[in-house]
Amino acid sequence: DAGVTQSPTHLIKTRGQQVTLRCSPKSGHDTVSWYQQALGQGPQFIFQYYEEEERQRGNFPDRFSGHQFPNYSSELNVNALLLGDSALYLCASSSQELAFFGQGTRLTVV
Amino acid sequence: KQEVTQIPAALSVPEGENLVLNCSFTDSAIYNLQWFRQDPGKGLTSLLLIQSSQREQTSGRLNASLDKSSGRSTLYIAASQPGDSATYLCAVTSGTYKYIFGTGTRLKVLA
Repeated sequence: DAGVTQSPTHLIKTRGQQVTLRCSPKSGHDTVSWYQQALGQGPQFIFQYYEEEERQRGNFPDRFSGHQFPNYSSELNVNALLLGDSALYLCASSSQELAFFGQGTRLTVV
Repeated sequence: KQEVTQIPAALSVPEGENLVLNCSFTDSAIYNLQWFRQDPGKGLTSLLLIQSSQREQTSGRLNASLDKSSGRSTLYIAASQPGDSATYLCAVTSGTYKYIFGTGTRLKVLA
């Protein structure tokens, strides 16, 4: 079992550009959540997908959008990147009670 | 609105010491509480999960307790080792897999 895998591991983008981050959940997990972790802070919930629908959303602007595919994998899209979007983006997959996190994608906006 | 606080923000101890990390939350209506470890620039590794009906969980040198009524949890690390150096995060959920995290405790164990 490969666990939760995220790609890419690192990414550098310019302000105003768009970015897509990808997540493959742990085998058998149907719920995927995305978090943003700024330096020195705890992760902040962005949104959650279940059965290809956005089930919950945190306090993030519409520039942040996502998608879940029939195989439960997920994408996080961020449009019109700002310097403040620089962070570690974490994907978590869940089944029953436990959440398992990937290694994250480090996004740097310059 | 649920808020999670962790004290201390940073801790430096000599190898071999027993230590306690604290986590408090404002809304006692939680489904479970999970402790995670995070190495610099890396993802989160789950250490212990405590369901709302439980008082504590143990794994090796780690013991986590939960007091829902007072909104507190503690993570006890026995006989600390340099390899324990990391940031420790606690997170609570109300049952929908949406986790609310604290800002973490940065632990450094000196050899």
